[in-house]
Amino acid sequence: EDQVTQSPEALRLQEGESSSLNCSYTVSGLRGLFWYRQDPGKGPEFLFTLYSAGEEKEKERLKATLTKKESFLHITAPKPEDSATYLCAVSYYGGSQGNLIFGKGTKLSVKP
Amino acid sequence: GAGVSQTPSNKVTEKGKYVELRCDPISGHTALYWYRQSLGQGPEFLIYFQGTGAADDSGLPNDRFFAVRPEGSVSTLKIQRTERGDSAVYLCASSLTPGSAFFGQGTRLTVV
Repeated sequence: EDQVTQSPEALRLQEGESSSLNCSYTVSGLRGLFWYRQDPGKGPEFLFTLYSAGEEKEKERLKATLTKKESFLHITAPKPEDSATYLCAVSYYGGSQGNLIFGKGTKLSVKP
Repeated sequence: GAGVSQTPSNKVTEKGKYVELRCDPISGHTALYWYRQSLGQGPEFLIYFQGTGAADDSGLPNDRFFAVRPEGSVSTLKIQRTERGDSAVYLCASSLTPGSAFFGQGTRLTVV
């Protein structure tokens, strides 16, 4: 069964304490992997797209990496404004290009 | 507008009633998606349009759900004979390329 699993479900960090979020996937051929940020009461905000193992993308304090079975979202020296739920989604060859499978997300809290 | 606009932002309806949810995508985006999100879950795919046609409607849960995009821009998600289990946040997204989608803020539907 095609699925996406994110861990941990929740993560509490002190400001400046770096960490990583994990997204593991089992799909019938990965077309692309996407990271989104979602604030309470808002729609997901697009962060990154990764297409092949070994690929990396960076944006401010965030860096996303991809292997053949999982992706990591590394957060370096986080600030309180990085607090949000981070969602991972995959597009796979068993589905249409518009059909993304989302994980349940990791809720990140960064305390000052 | 600059982003994806969804109306209404909140909708409360009685069980058995008909509802319409509207989505105005980013101008020029040919791909449009509908997802729904329950509390504590990631978004769940409903339907994907490429232009005016539904490229993939495999996520629509049953025949009470229907969506249209007659002119290739605005889309309406229609739900007949609403049930309490339909309560969720309905998210619309659009993009130039499939997957890297920009989401609206969602319509929170509550069926009482």
